[in-house]
Order: sequence, then C-alpha cells, then structure tokens
Amino acid sequence: EAGVVQSPRYKIIEKKQPVAFWCNPISGHNTLYWYLQNLGQGPELLIRYENEEAVDDSQLPKDRFSAERLKGVDSTLKIQPAELGDSAVYLCASSLDGSPSDTQYFGPGTRLTVL
Amino acid sequence: TQLLEQSPQFLSIQEGENLTVYCNSSSVFSSLQWYRQEPGEGPVLLVTVVTGGEVKKLKRLTFQFGDARKDSSLHITAAQPGDTGLYLCAGGASGTYKYIFGTGTRLKVLA
Repeated sequence: EAGVVQSPRYKIIEKKQPVAFWCNPISGHNTLYWYLQNLGQGPELLIRYENEEAVDDSQLPKDRFSAERLKGVDSTLKIQPAELGDSAVYLCASSLDGSPSDTQYFGPGTRLTVL
Repeated sequence: TQLLEQSPQFLSIQEGENLTVYCNSSSVFSSLQWYRQEPGEGPVLLVTVVTGGEVKKLKRLTFQFGDARKDSSLHITAAQPGDTGLYLCAGGASGTYKYIFGTGTRLKVLA
C-alpha cells in the first residue's frame, strides 16, 4: 500500500514569491494534517481536515497561508507571499478517523528554503 | 496552552549504553504516542499508550505512561547506532481533539 505522498521534496524560492505544496494521503484515510517542523523540533499543526472540512485551522497564519482539500482526498497548502521565517519542513500526515489515539502516517515532507 | 516538554533535548551515548527520555506536561492526556524520525523522513509511530501506569515493550524499548496521564518515558536498553534519530512524544489532551507534539529529543548512538 502506498504511503503519504508529498511533492515537491525540496523548494527554494525568493522571499515574497508564492509557493504550493501537494499531499496525497493514504487511500481511505478521512483525516489529513499539515504540520510545520523547524530543525530539531517537534511538528506544529497548521491545519486538520476531516474529509473536505477544515476542523482545526487555529494555528494557520491566514494572512499568507491557505489550504484546500476540495474532494476530501488530496490537499494543497499555499504560502503567498513567502517570508524568510517560513523556511522549514512542511509535513503532511493522514489517519483513519482523527482521534488522538489513531495512528498518523507521515509523508517525507517538503523542505522549503526562502532566500 | 498545553505543552509537552521533553528531556533531555540532546543525547549522545556509546553503543551498548542505556538511556531514558522523558515527556512531561501539566495537562492530562487521553493517550500519548512516541515517534522516531530520521533525517529527511516523516515521524514514524513506535507506540501508543492509553491507560495510566501502562507499560509497553517493543524489543529493547520500554514505554511507560504516568499514573496521572501527564507524563511518559521511553527507556532504551543497550542502544545501537540504528536507534539514532529524533524521538517525539505526542498526544491529545483529554476532552479535546487537540493533538500536540513534544519538543523532541535528538539521540545519537556512537559505534
């Protein structure tokens, strides 16, 4: 069974440019998460979807970040415009039902560098 | 704000040594999970503990959930270079669907 797929794996952009990340979760998983991870630290939740509904986006900086999961399957996270402080790894994860004890399966992440 | 503090932050040990990583919070968690993350990869789940006082063993790894469900520990016996990685605890606070990760412990096991 294929795992969580993310693309691109790496992205280097100039500040103020837009950037988008794509995630395809494990088939049948209703819950999809986007996390931001700084080097050596734990991931921080940006947004959580149950099917196509964003049920927790309280930590998403909505002035520059947006996300969508239109058909309840794959998802896109966008930053516009990017700032130097956005340099980090963006992780996507999926789980069956989103309960705290459920197993989250992570993709390899997209490493973003903003110059 | 719910926080999961891990200690130590960094740990470098020789192969064959034992170690313990701690995960502490002032909040009660309905369950706690431990992940290991290697460079360039996403975290991979090691174990889930759900009952206060629960102890789970996974080969050389022993996980314990505190009686009050506010803390957890990970003990590795006879560490091997393959244990090297970033260890993360994570959990959902009781009564919410909020899920947070700990601050992380970076382990390096030298051959």
